[in-house]
Amino acid sequence: DQQVKQNSPSLSVQEGRISILNCDYTNSMFDYFLWYKKYPAEGPTFLISISSIKDKNEDGRFTVFLNKSAKHLSLHIVPSQPGDSAVYFCAASGPGTYKYIFGTGTRLKVLA
Amino acid sequence: GAGVSQSPRYKVAKRGQDVALRCDPISGHVSLFWYQQALGQGPEFLTYFQNEAQLDKSGLPSDRFFAERPEGSVSTLKIQRTQQEDSAVYLCASSTGGNTEAFFGQGTRLTVV
Repeated sequence: DQQVKQNSPSLSVQEGRISILNCDYTNSMFDYFLWYKKYPAEGPTFLISISSIKDKNEDGRFTVFLNKSAKHLSLHIVPSQPGDSAVYFCAASGPGTYKYIFGTGTRLKVLA
Repeated sequence: GAGVSQSPRYKVAKRGQDVALRCDPISGHVSLFWYQQALGQGPEFLTYFQNEAQLDKSGLPSDRFFAERPEGSVSTLKIQRTQQEDSAVYLCASSTGGNTEAFFGQGTRLTVV
């Protein structure tokens, strides 16, 4: 039972354009969501997070949107850069818990 | 140190061998996690420590897996009598606790042959 789903295994975007990565979840108790970026042979690197009391959080080129009614979140990267090419994981946790449930990842390739 | 440090980076074990994987969390981080990541999958939770107390070990796949953090800092994940299905990347993460982001180490890639 996959509680956090990233249905697009891969995405290709031209440099300078917007990258939109999507994530769906099934557990309505989740109240904290994160995005991590992972390069080959490295551990995941934290990018941005959002609490369920918000519907948007922005940090530079990265914006995360949360739609609680649809149980959907998305990560927008604008403008996309070749260095953004990596695997992106969304993760979620619930109240009073500490462990993250991760999606299977989306491989983003930004074309120069 | 500046980040979470794991050692060794790579480990090849013969089936049936015991292995020990080490994690040095960020100094002062109360929470420490171990995750297992199989090829093409997202990390899966194994166990959680708050200081030296192991508060959740529900993700450990069998009693061959054991983790400790005796002084609330360095942690060791031990796998006894390794099996081929144990081959994965083992990730350690630490955080200040609560709903804060966890910082991951580079992982240990375990290959059981």
